[in-house]
Amino acid sequence: KNEVEQSPQNLTAQEGEFITINCSYSVGISALHWLQQHPGGGIVSLFMLSSGKKKHGRLIATINIQEKHSSLHITASHPRDSAVYICAVRFPLTPSNTGNQFYFGTGTSLTVIP
Amino acid sequence: KAGVTQTPRYLIKTRGQQVTLSCSPISGHRSVSWYQQTPGQGLQFLFEYFSETQRNKGNFPGRFSGRQFSNSRSEMNVSTLELGDSALYLCASSQGQWLGYNEQFFGPGTRLTVL
Repeated sequence: KNEVEQSPQNLTAQEGEFITINCSYSVGISALHWLQQHPGGGIVSLFMLSSGKKKHGRLIATINIQEKHSSLHITASHPRDSAVYICAVRFPLTPSNTGNQFYFGTGTSLTVIP
Repeated sequence: KAGVTQTPRYLIKTRGQQVTLSCSPISGHRSVSWYQQTPGQGLQFLFEYFSETQRNKGNFPGRFSGRQFSNSRSEMNVSTLELGDSALYLCASSQGQWLGYNEQFFGPGTRLTVL
């Protein structure tokens, strides 16, 4: 069964703290995405990765294929980082899974306090 | 380049009616996908289109349908609306052929309320 789990569901941090959000999935995947959604609904794609590590500014995303796990790190967090962070995965097409292969985690709501 | 646009931004309908939502992808993007977001279920995949062909469909009833035109613009339709269809409907476009293998660019969404 294709499943995606995120933790924590909610996270409150002080400005400047290092933040980690986790995403685990049930079976091997083709690609994993980290998305950011601000109040009001707009979604921005932060990273797409299938192996290793990517960095963009204060954001770092890593993925461990063997452990079926990805993390999103925010260094030196800032109040403008307050948003919902969502991981999404593309599971490979298999004979038993000819329908939907794109699943989302439930999201992590991050609040960074000044 | 202009971003992904969706129209209308807000919509109020009553149960039993039908609705059509529109999505214009970024110029040059041929792949469009649709998603439903509700407080209870979160984000769920609806459809994936590439070059006017539906590549993939999520676990939604047949009341949900969509299509893509030759200019890559896409529409989705929901017939016989139910209260539970109230949601934010998002579309996204990407350059690649297959959903999930390329960066996706999301539109602002259409907020549908069913009364």
